[in-house]
Amino acid sequence: AQTVTQSQPEMSVQEAETVTLSCTYDTSESDYYLFWYKQPPSRQMILVIRQEAYKQQNATENRFSVNFQKAAKSFSLKISDSQLGDAAMYFCAYRVISSGSARQLTFGSGTQLTVLP
Amino acid sequence: GAGVSQTPSNKVTEKGKYVELRCDPISGHTALYWYRQSLGQGPEFLIYFQGTGAADDSGLPNDRFFAVRPEGSVSTLKIQRTERGDSAVYLCASSLTAAHEQYFGPGTRLTVT
Repeated sequence: AQTVTQSQPEMSVQEAETVTLSCTYDTSESDYYLFWYKQPPSRQMILVIRQEAYKQQNATENRFSVNFQKAAKSFSLKISDSQLGDAAMYFCAYRVISSGSARQLTFGSGTQLTVLP
Repeated sequence: GAGVSQTPSNKVTEKGKYVELRCDPISGHTALYWYRQSLGQGPEFLIYFQGTGAADDSGLPNDRFFAVRPEGSVSTLKIQRTERGDSAVYLCASSLTAAHEQYFGPGTRLTVT
């Protein structure tokens, strides 16, 4: 079974600084997706960034980038120039690619990010 | 266009009662997922629908939980004889197909007293 581990329950960062959130996962699959989702107090789960395991290049989306280390099964999220609106719970998630399955998301336990003014 | 909607936003019920939680997916999305998020945890998969059929219900915790999607659009999650341990946020997500990105609703917070 696939598992996703986030070992940092809470993190804080000063506004305009950079913060990195950690995630490790375990799978026997060779093809899969990894995601970072943001969940503000409104409970709405918002996709931040996605990485395909077969791509060696790390994904970037504006101020958000990932460091994907496939051999180490590590997938960290870097937030640059942190803004007050980035404060939220962040979840790392995994999903298989193979057809014929539900392809449901498997989530980590989350990291609560606080942005200090 | 409209996103995934869920009703009610909050539901308080007494132990032993029956509850129904509703999910309206994005129009045209054939895949629909239910997840349960306990306090301080990440969402956990409950059930997946492809069209009208429950293609994977392996995440349902026991037979008190049941879900339907009779016309391939709206889905209802039904919980019988609720227990305090059922208290959680129930999230619904839909996607064009299982291969596409999942879009989440705002969830229903269920509290069993």
